[in-house]
Amino acid sequence: AQTVTQSQPEMSVQEAETVTLSCTYDTSENNYYLFWYKQPPSRQMILVIRQEAYKQQNATENRFSVNFQKAAKSFSLKISDSQLGDTAMYFCAPTSYDKVIFGPGTSLSVIP
Amino acid sequence: DAGVTQSPTHLIKTRGQQVTLRCSPKSGHDTVSWYQQALGQGPQFIFQYYEEEERQRGNFPDRFSGHQFPNYSSELNVNALLLGDSALYLCASSAGTQETQYFGPGTRLLVL
Repeated sequence: AQTVTQSQPEMSVQEAETVTLSCTYDTSENNYYLFWYKQPPSRQMILVIRQEAYKQQNATENRFSVNFQKAAKSFSLKISDSQLGDTAMYFCAPTSYDKVIFGPGTSLSVIP
Repeated sequence: DAGVTQSPTHLIKTRGQQVTLRCSPKSGHDTVSWYQQALGQGPQFIFQYYEEEERQRGNFPDRFSGHQFPNYSSELNVNALLLGDSALYLCASSAGTQETQYFGPGTRLLVL
């Protein structure tokens, strides 16, 4: 992936609600993988979820799930039952020939 | 099990100086990648080390160099510092070049 677009610079969601963060990317590869990372205000980058491009089944990790549309080069993240601790920058990060390419990020605020 | 560690946590240098940042990977990991994250932006890939060799490199000048030691720890060196080198420098480790990367807390570099 040479470019990654996260079209929502900032988002907010009420606690316990569901929110979806969007991501599109550009790649000429067929076999690659994609990540969502979160970076809370403390700045430690934390892995949220991983998806292999060859898998048709969307990855799920507890309250986090993805909608991976390979043909459309779209990789959105859904957060269910949002919690205050979900407040962070979220980065979409597909790989490109084993290099991880980060998007510009979406700042998510969870409102009590 | 210790995660990825980086030192120092903060550093202040002046233009033209040289700096060395250090990273110890997570136990069991043999691959180290370095990223530069400017304020408000996503991380940019600098390079990746595997088996003590630079395996991949991003679009960074030769002023940025690195090294990996036999114990898999790594150093990032930046020569002739510029004001624009001020950033958070992130180290990530993985168990192989195509595996999930886990990040350290970063080193905040300020160039005056």
